[in-house]
Amino acid sequence: QKEVEQNSGPLSVPEGAIASLNCTYSDRGSQSFFWYRQYSGKSPELIMSIYSNGDKEDGRFTAQLNKASQYVSLLIRDSQPSDSATYLCAVSMTGGGNKLTFGTGTQLKVEL
Amino acid sequence: KAGVTQTPRYLIKTRGQQVTLSCSPISGHRSVSWYQQTPGQGLQFLFEYFSETQRNKGNFPGRFSGRQFSNSRSEMNVSTLELGDSALYLCASSVSPNTEAFFGQGTRLTVV
Repeated sequence: QKEVEQNSGPLSVPEGAIASLNCTYSDRGSQSFFWYRQYSGKSPELIMSIYSNGDKEDGRFTAQLNKASQYVSLLIRDSQPSDSATYLCAVSMTGGGNKLTFGTGTQLKVEL
Repeated sequence: KAGVTQTPRYLIKTRGQQVTLSCSPISGHRSVSWYQQTPGQGLQFLFEYFSETQRNKGNFPGRFSGRQFSNSRSEMNVSTLELGDSALYLCASSVSPNTEAFFGQGTRLTVV
């Protein structure tokens, strides 16, 4: 079992729709969770961080964390073509300090 | 505020050579982590430094090494380069361990 799992996609959504990206992780003691966006040929860009159960909203983005289910998700409302990218889920596991374990990423395509 | 700066941006090296990559973190950030990104393996953790001390090391051979200086700048070195070392090497900085990490533009290393 991989430590951090994501569907590789591609996930295709029409412009204006809600895109839902999911991530599961194996270490129950994980404390910190992050979503990064990576455009082709570029470096990852931090979008959201979440540390406690529940929802955290920032503009069009909402991160959701459920530690009991070991599940973290990212919702993108009013998806735009510029949101087309690979979204990486990253987890800081128990005792890992700033060592982030990344999923393989979900490719999102927002279609006109 | 300047972001994370990595130099050089691109490198071409020959098998057997060694290479040194540099990372200047965001001002005030004391934690620096290094990652290797390849199409096949995704983002993999190399090492993490905080206050000039290596706190974590990933599962890479001893040919990969790093250090951090008193001004928080960091370098990583790869000796006896192999073709498989061709990758995007990313540096991320954060204020301290377990806080949000911000990536630099990366150094794309090609080994021929």
